[in-house]
Amino acid sequence: GAVVSQHPSWVICKSGTSVKIECRSLDFQATTMFWYRQFPKQSLMLMATSNEGSKATYEQGVEKDKFLINHASLTLSTLTVTSAHPEDSSFYICSARAGGTGNNSPLHFGNGTRLTVT
Amino acid sequence: QKEVEQNSGPLSVPEGAIASLNCTYSDRGSQSFFWYRQYSGKSPELIMFIYSNGDKEDGRFTAQLNKASQYVSLLIRDSQPSDSATYLCAVNTGQAGTALIFGKGTTLSVSS
Repeated sequence: GAVVSQHPSWVICKSGTSVKIECRSLDFQATTMFWYRQFPKQSLMLMATSNEGSKATYEQGVEKDKFLINHASLTLSTLTVTSAHPEDSSFYICSARAGGTGNNSPLHFGNGTRLTVT
Repeated sequence: QKEVEQNSGPLSVPEGAIASLNCTYSDRGSQSFFWYRQYSGKSPELIMFIYSNGDKEDGRFTAQLNKASQYVSLLIRDSQPSDSATYLCAVNTGQAGTALIFGKGTTLSVSS
């Protein structure tokens, strides 16, 4: 149980274009999902908290107009990287807690999306 | 600033040995603690979690928590080459709806 699916697994795009990443909870509902970013040999850095039906909460230093988050249903959150630049190249990973298991329950991660901006 | 600290390693152990991974955290109000394993190019996968002081065992893995010292560790017994990965310590401060705060991870290398 508690499967999080992320798509696409990898994407290459040209500088200036936009890329959308989907994150789905397959067997549970998630009112909250978390988007992390990981640069090579670095740890996971929280970008934003995605809340179903309301605006996302962004971490300090993360541009909300560049990284658009939409959490339209209890099983789907999307992250759109707008006007991507080479410095946005990174590993983007979404995560969620299975509903009803409490705030101390673990996060389950999607398989991640490797974004390369040329 | 809430922080989670880990020795980046690499930690090298021979096959069959015990690997000991350590983690400290700064927020004394932290309530739950997690160990994730991450293979290169992959997303993290949960190994185990611990909430209470003491030891928690799951197969070859034992998590140890000491809240007074703000210290959590992971022991891997009978280490196997397939255990070679980066191990991430993560902490939940317990506030409703919050994400986990991750350490930078310790790279473990198990030689056969």
